Order: sequence, then C-alpha cells, then structure tokens
Amino acid sequence: NAGVMQNPRHLVRRRGQEARLRCSPMKGHSHVYWYRQLPEEGLKFMVYLQKENIIDESGMPKERFSAEFPKEGPSILRIQQVVRGDSAAYFCASSPQTKRGYGYTFGSGTRLTVV
Amino acid sequence: QKEVEQNSGPLSVPEGAIASLNCTYSDRGSQSFFWYRQYSGKSPELIMFIYSNGDKEDGRFTAQLNKASQYVSLLIRDSQPSDSATYLCAVGSSDKLIFGTGTRLQVFP
Repeated sequence: NAGVMQNPRHLVRRRGQEARLRCSPMKGHSHVYWYRQLPEEGLKFMVYLQKENIIDESGMPKERFSAEFPKEGPSILRIQQVVRGDSAAYFCASSPQTKRGYGYTFGSGTRLTVV
Repeated sequence: QKEVEQNSGPLSVPEGAIASLNCTYSDRGSQSFFWYRQYSGKSPELIMFIYSNGDKEDGRFTAQLNKASQYVSLLIRDSQPSDSATYLCAVGSSDKLIFGTGTRLQVFP
C-alpha cells in the first residue's frame, strides 16, 4: 500500500547540469501533478499529466523544463541546464480522477539544490 | 489579484483554544476546496475537503464554505502544540488545485 514515491529525496547539481526527478503515483491513481515550492512560499502548479499525455502545462517555464509520464515507469520532471533559481522543493501528487477535484496525495518531495 | 489568498501569519493561539484560519478565492466557478497541513521540511497532507456551502466537521477540525462570499475557513478546536504547522488552502480550478501561500499556526503551551 505504498504512497506516492519520489526520488531522489535530495539532489545536488552544479549550474548547467541536468536534474531528473522521478515520481511513481499511488496504486490506482492515473493522474500526476508536479508542484514547486520555494522557501517560505506556497505550492506553485507546474504540470498535470496522465499516462502518455500532458494535460496542462500552463505552470511550466517555457525553457529548460519538461515532463513526461510514459506508459510504463514513473513520471519524470526534467530540468536542463539548471540555474541557482531552480533550487526548490519539487512535489509530485497523484489522484484517482479529477471529477469534482479529488484531493491529492503528495509524495515526500525532492529537494533540489543548485550550487 | 491572487487566485487563492491567505494571511501568512503567524497565527499564535494558546493550547486548548480555537484556531481560525481563513482563505478567499477568486474563481466563482470553483467547486472543491481543501485544507492541507504542512510541517516544516515535510510534504503537505490532506486534512479536510468540502464541496457544499456550510460546515463540515471531522474530529477537532471544521471546514466552512461560503461560495457567495468566496470564502473558506478551517477551525481547529482544542488546539495542541502538535497542530503547529503551515495550513494551505487549495481550490479546485478546472483540472488542478490552486494553493494559497499558507498560514503559519503556532500553538503555545
């Protein structure tokens, strides 16, 4: 009965490197959401995916950020050429469906530090 | 105008008191409303949800919704030091949840 699994928990990257964040939703959940949280700030929506489809990426920066949720395997949030401003906690959440806006279950997050 | 607004706090209440947390939202079409609790360095956890106008109670927690005023609140009765955390209000907007910046609650013994 595993919850939403995110890895790694902590990730350190040098400026210009790539960061890959992984998220496996709860069993039975087909909807995945990525949020970013800067220190002392709220959760900012980034992207909403279903298997093999990006449904809403209105919160994704136009450059360097991409997300996928393949037919097999976890959802991946990829940040290319990281900069210091990308340092944040990235949370993945999943839900069984969006009708009536079911509450999300969050993973434990990935804390990205860019040095 | 922010989509979901909360007072950042901190809101300080003595142990045993009622803590009242408030949230306003801008999208009149919103149909679902949630309260999450987030301890420092941890992930948010869902504590209450409400869809209809009025009150909804669960243990020491009561969520209140007034769609006409676009207002959601969370009451915590008999507050405990373990309730000290940041409380995030979230509103369902089309296909996703929009979060407020959170209210930090401090319960002192």
